[in-house]
Amino acid sequence: SQQGEEDPQALSIQEGENATMNCSYKTSINNLQWYRQNSGRGLVHLILIRSNEREKHSGRLRVTLDTSKKSSSLLITASRAADTASYFCATEALGQGGSEKLVFGKGTKLTVNP
Amino acid sequence: GAVVSQHPSRVICKSGTSVKIECRSLDFQATTMFWYRQFPKQSLMLMATSNEGSKATYEQGVEKDKFLINHASLTLSTLTVTSAHPEDSSFYICSARADSKYEQYFGPGTRLTVT
Repeated sequence: SQQGEEDPQALSIQEGENATMNCSYKTSINNLQWYRQNSGRGLVHLILIRSNEREKHSGRLRVTLDTSKKSSSLLITASRAADTASYFCATEALGQGGSEKLVFGKGTKLTVNP
Repeated sequence: GAVVSQHPSRVICKSGTSVKIECRSLDFQATTMFWYRQFPKQSLMLMATSNEGSKATYEQGVEKDKFLINHASLTLSTLTVTSAHPEDSSFYICSARADSKYEQYFGPGTRLTVT
């Protein structure tokens, strides 16, 4: 079953604006990761935040984690047209056979209009 | 960062035929490789996890006889879709990881269309 649920499902903004995407999950986690996917392409790892961290920055990206609410947010500041992509959160869970696997949310499709 | 390639990037096959997709880690040795499936406008669903030299572990609901996975070396895993049907049309993405301490690196994906 899906662990992460992002909202909104789709977001359209103007270049220069900030974009905020949220992710909720259901079980305890060691870390939460955010990925980006351009249309029809593979995934690019953006940032990982550990369960004992509350906020993390990487360039124009800011991720927060609230383990009490089982939620995370990804903020992209000063957005650019090139940020147009789908963004997924992912958490680790135990898969069949006991190995760790990534469970992805449904994703937010971000469109940044020039 | 580490590079993972997939081949082919796109494939069209006829119903009933089999198709093989390759996933390679180009600059690191991948002890574990993962195969995902993604339907249009949906998220990635893990199909199976393969460790080099051992049988793949399939997620619930994934037919192991239909989706054959081989991880014969530390840099190559293959997914063979046997007796493909139109409902198998999807985007297949692999990822590779050197060790459980390290992150997964994703391939660019393979678009399979079964006619």
